[in-house]
Amino acid sequence: AQSVTQLGSHVSVSEGALVLLRCNYSSSVPPYLFWYVQYPNQGLQLLLKYTSAATLVKGINGFEAEFKKSETSFHLTKPSAHMSDAAEYFCAVRGTFQGGSEKLVFGKGTKLTVNP
Amino acid sequence: DVKVTQSSRYLVKRTGEKVFLECVQDMDHENMFWYRQDPGLGLRLIYFSYDVKMKEKGDIPEGYSVSREKKERFSLILESASTNQTSMYLCASSLPPYRAGRNTIYFGEGSWLTVV
Repeated sequence: AQSVTQLGSHVSVSEGALVLLRCNYSSSVPPYLFWYVQYPNQGLQLLLKYTSAATLVKGINGFEAEFKKSETSFHLTKPSAHMSDAAEYFCAVRGTFQGGSEKLVFGKGTKLTVNP
Repeated sequence: DVKVTQSSRYLVKRTGEKVFLECVQDMDHENMFWYRQDPGLGLRLIYFSYDVKMKEKGDIPEGYSVSREKKERFSLILESASTNQTSMYLCASSLPPYRAGRNTIYFGEGSWLTVV
């Protein structure tokens, strides 16, 4: 079965500082990995995804993530935090094929706070 | 742009009431999902559907049912609402694995349900 562990339910950084949100996965098949962002009172928006092409994936809003098979990790980074990055971030892995669909298995989320 | 619309953003219902949460997507997606989001627990899959009239149980189907009579519409039903079903409910849709552009799940803005 597939699973995702996000290390740290809350991360706080200063504006302009590096953002690093950690995600480790477990998958019995070659993984497809995703990062989603949720702004307050909104649904989830896809930031980026890894689907077995380049291991360094660039997403929207200056975020990127690197797939490291040896470490079973897919950490999300941004060189310089902006106040508008304050949100909750979810890592997800493609789950097992069931019926006609591949569902996603989500981590528990990391809430990012950006301090001025 | 893909649009997933949840008809009710905020609902307050009484214990024992039958509750309908409606979701419509406008991109002709085969797959539709209902997730529940709770603090510290992330997103948990309740039910999903990969075709009209087809449904599959997710990880926490107890106390819920679903209906998919038309491709664009997926309804979540709480037969007899209970206080432990107070939560944020997220609808989502995606293309099936065999179609180009798959692997991205698009989310609605969420429905906040309070059961009193």
